[in-house]
Amino acid sequence: AQSVTQLGSHVSVSEGALVLLRCNYSSSVPPYLFWYVQYPNQGLQLLLKYTSAATLVKGINGFEAEFKKSETSFHLTKPSAHMSDAAEYFCAVRISGNTPLVFGKGTRLSVIA
Amino acid sequence: DGGITQSPKYLFRKEGQNVTLSCEQNLNHDAMYWYRQDPGQGLRLIYYSQIVNDFQKGDIAEGYSVSREKKESFPLTVTSAQKNPTAFYLCASRTARNTEAFFGQGTRLTVV
Repeated sequence: AQSVTQLGSHVSVSEGALVLLRCNYSSSVPPYLFWYVQYPNQGLQLLLKYTSAATLVKGINGFEAEFKKSETSFHLTKPSAHMSDAAEYFCAVRISGNTPLVFGKGTRLSVIA
Repeated sequence: DGGITQSPKYLFRKEGQNVTLSCEQNLNHDAMYWYRQDPGQGLRLIYYSQIVNDFQKGDIAEGYSVSREKKESFPLTVTSAQKNPTAFYLCASRTARNTEAFFGQGTRLTVV
C-alpha cells in the first residue's frame, strides 16, 4: 500500500525566508511523487512532479523538491518566501499503472510580512 | 479552453435529499476521480473511473454513487445515506500518458 505523511499541518515563515515543507512516502514500488498547491475555495494546481528522471525537480513559482530514496522523502523548498505563497500544499504519491493519487493531509503555509 | 468544469460551485441540501454534483472535462482524459476534502484530512478518494461504463470504489464510497456513461462526464450523487455530507468535493482527470491529475475548481456542499 502507498501512503504519504506531511510533517506539520501548519508552517509559518517570514517573507524572504526559506520555505521547507516536509513529505515522506511509503511505497512498495518506485513511486511517482507530486506537490500540489491550493488557494482558498479553489481546486489543486500542480507545482511539480517526480517521475524517476532527475532527483531534483524544479517547479513553478520558484519551488523545487528533491527525491531521496534512502530517506523516502520528497521535501518541497523555496529559497525566499513571498506573500503570494500563502496557501495549502499537498504531497501526493502514485505507483505506476492506473492507480489513483494518494494525498497527504496537507500543510498550510502562512507568510508573515 | 480545455479543462475540468465542476458545477455548481456552492450547493445546499436539506437532510434526507439526494444531490448530484456535476463534473465535465473536455481534455479527452480516460480516467476521472472524485475526492472529498475536509479540514485537516487532506483529500480522500470516493470513486474513480478508468474507462466509460466502469468505475471502482475508493476509500470512502459509502453513501455516494457515480456513473460514467460518457467519457467527458462523471457525475457524483450524494445520497441520504451519507451521514456527514458537508464538505468540499473535487473532481480530477488524467490521461494514460500523463502521470499527474488535473483538478476542477470544486463544489462546496452544505447540508442545511
